[in-house]
Amino acid sequence: GAVVSQHPSRVICKSGTSVKIECRSLDFQATTMFWYRQFPKQSLMLMATSNEGSKATYEQGVEKDKFLINHASLTLSTLTVTSAHPEDSSFYICSALTGQNEKLFFGSGTQLSVL
Amino acid sequence: GDSVTQMEGPVTLSEEACLTINCTYTATGYPSLFWYVQYPGEGLQLLLKATKADDKGSNKGFEATYRKETTSFHLEKGSVQVSDSAVYFCALSDYGGATNKLIFGTGTLLAVQP
Repeated sequence: GAVVSQHPSRVICKSGTSVKIECRSLDFQATTMFWYRQFPKQSLMLMATSNEGSKATYEQGVEKDKFLINHASLTLSTLTVTSAHPEDSSFYICSALTGQNEKLFFGSGTQLSVL
Repeated sequence: GDSVTQMEGPVTLSEEACLTINCTYTATGYPSLFWYVQYPGEGLQLLLKATKADDKGSNKGFEATYRKETTSFHLEKGSVQVSDSAVYFCALSDYGGATNKLIFGTGTLLAVQP
C-alpha cells in the first residue's frame, strides 16, 4: 500500500534554533498534505493544509510565520519550526491525500523536544 | 465546535480478553466516523469507518456502530491478540466523509499481554 515517510522520528534541539521536518509520499503523488500536532494528553490537532505549488492554509491559532510549510513538489512537504521554544515541544504528524480515490496516509510522526 | 472524546488509556488486557474503547462525539451536522490505529513506529492507518447512523464498520475483528442517539462510536473486539497492541484514535469528519478535515480524539493506548 501507499507509504508516507516522515523524518526525523525524533529531534532534540536548543531553544531558538529552527527544526525542519520532512514528509514524503513514496509511491504516489500527493497534491495535498496535512500537518498535525499532538501535545501530551491532548487531541491530535490539524495545524495546516499544504497544497503543492501554493501557500499553505493554517488553522486558527497556528502562527504561519513560526511554522513554515513548503510543498514544492508532489511528493514532498516540509514543516520548519522557526526559533523553537520549549512550548513547541510536541508530536508532529504529516499525512498525504492520494489524488484518485482520496485516501489518506500518515507518516509515523516526529517527536520534537526543545530544551 | 465539533469534538471527539475517547477514553483515556492505557488499557491493559490479557490475550483473548474482550475490548471496548469508548468514543463519543459532538458535531453540528451528520459526520462520518472513523477509527484509526497506530502500531509502534508506523503511521496512523484507517481501521474502520461508518458514514451514517446505525452503520457498523468492521475490520480485523474490530467493530464499531454509529449510534446517533448516544453520539457514540465505541470500538469493540471480542478477543484481542498481542499484535493488537497499538494506539487507537477515534475521529470524525463533518465534510461528507472527506478525510481531509478530520477531528481526532486523544488516542488510547492498548497493551495486550500474552
